[in-house]
Amino acid sequence: DTGVSQNPRHKITKRGQNVTFRCDPISEHNRLYWYRQTLGQGPEFLTYFQNEAQLEKSRLLSDRFSAERPKGSFSTLEIQRTEQGDSAMYLCASSLGLAAISTDTQYFGPGTRLTVL
Amino acid sequence: AQSVTQPDIHITVSEGASLELRCNYSYGATPYLFWYVQSPGQGLQLLLKYFSGDTLVQGIKGFEAEFKRSQSSFNLRKPSVHWSDAAEYFCAFLTGGGNKLTFGTGTQLKVEL
Repeated sequence: DTGVSQNPRHKITKRGQNVTFRCDPISEHNRLYWYRQTLGQGPEFLTYFQNEAQLEKSRLLSDRFSAERPKGSFSTLEIQRTEQGDSAMYLCASSLGLAAISTDTQYFGPGTRLTVL
Repeated sequence: AQSVTQPDIHITVSEGASLELRCNYSYGATPYLFWYVQSPGQGLQLLLKYFSGDTLVQGIKGFEAEFKRSQSSFNLRKPSVHWSDAAEYFCAFLTGGGNKLTFGTGTQLKVEL
């Protein structure tokens, strides 16, 4: 068990550019989640996948954001035409996706810190 | 509205002193509650969770939390704080049918030596 990994750890970009982040979940974890954390706030849910299917998207996820999880393994989160308000830490988490949610713990990666200049 | 409130943004305690971090929730039913800790450069680490049963929950690193339905609270405690406990602590609960965590704004803990 190597944990959830995210790349890159830091990204600095100019406003208007596109960026893509990658998340590799714990192997055999069926569920994968994306959260966004801004300074001084707790993480906020963005979206989640059950295997390759994206089952829920938050209203925070504007049409500039797109997430994929091809083949139900790693996931990518792309932000098009970045804005300064997109500056945040983007966190990925994974879980087994058990039917008994009492035992389905979300394990978080270290995050990707995005700075939009 | 479903929400989690952590009233204390910053708390400073001396090493060896006891600690209590407050968490209040607003939810229509009995929530599934969590405490996570976040250190700089680290991901969120689960300290403990409550789903049902015994209202006093034991976690890792010597932490415990008590669920009080009458007060809508789930406060985190530790009898003796270590300098390595300095971090940000988040209370959260599961919503959306168990598919997403709703977090509080966090409490930053500073430990004085």
